[in-house]
Amino acid sequence: AQSVTQLDSQVPVFEEAPVELRCNYSSSVSVYLFWYVQYPNQGLQLLLKYLSGSTLVKGINGFEAEFNKSQTSFHLRKPSVHISDTAEYFCAVSKISGGYNKLIFGAGTRLAVHP
Amino acid sequence: EAGVTQFPSHSVIEKGQTVTLRCDPISGHDNLYWYRRVMGKEIKFLLHFVKESKQDESGMPNNRFLAERTGGTYSTLKVQPAELEDSGVYFCASSQDQGNTIYFGEGSWLTVV
Repeated sequence: AQSVTQLDSQVPVFEEAPVELRCNYSSSVSVYLFWYVQYPNQGLQLLLKYLSGSTLVKGINGFEAEFNKSQTSFHLRKPSVHISDTAEYFCAVSKISGGYNKLIFGAGTRLAVHP
Repeated sequence: EAGVTQFPSHSVIEKGQTVTLRCDPISGHDNLYWYRRVMGKEIKFLLHFVKESKQDESGMPNNRFLAERTGGTYSTLKVQPAELEDSGVYFCASSQDQGNTIYFGEGSWLTVV
């Protein structure tokens, strides 16, 4: 079975500061990795995904994440955040075998960007 | 191209009543999923359709929940009778093929009072 741990439930940060949202996963099989974002009063939006290839993945809105297989981590980073990045961020995995996309989510991290 | 659409966006019902949530996937997407997030918990998988067939319904919490996808297009999720613990956000999602990116709708926020 797979599981996802988002180590921080809330992350406060000042505008233009860098941010890292941490995600660790456990799985006995190979997985795909995702970050989704939910802005206030909106649905889930895909930020980025890792399927294979380069371990550094770039997504929308200036976010990037690095897949580290040895540490089973997929941390999300942005070098300079904006007020508009205030949202809840979800890390998720899905197993590769069987061609099936059932997502296992972490509990979410609320990013609060302050002026 | 229209995204995944869900209706209603918000619903407040009394305990014991019935609610039906509807999801229209992205056109051409055979795979349709239902997820939900109850208050303060993780987003959890409920079930997965491939066209009109239920591929996996292992996440359905109990027999008060019934999902259908007649004709392999839109899907409905009925909760009957609703209980207080059913309150939360119900997300629908779709993907073109298994192994492709899953796209989520904006969710149906259900409050049972």
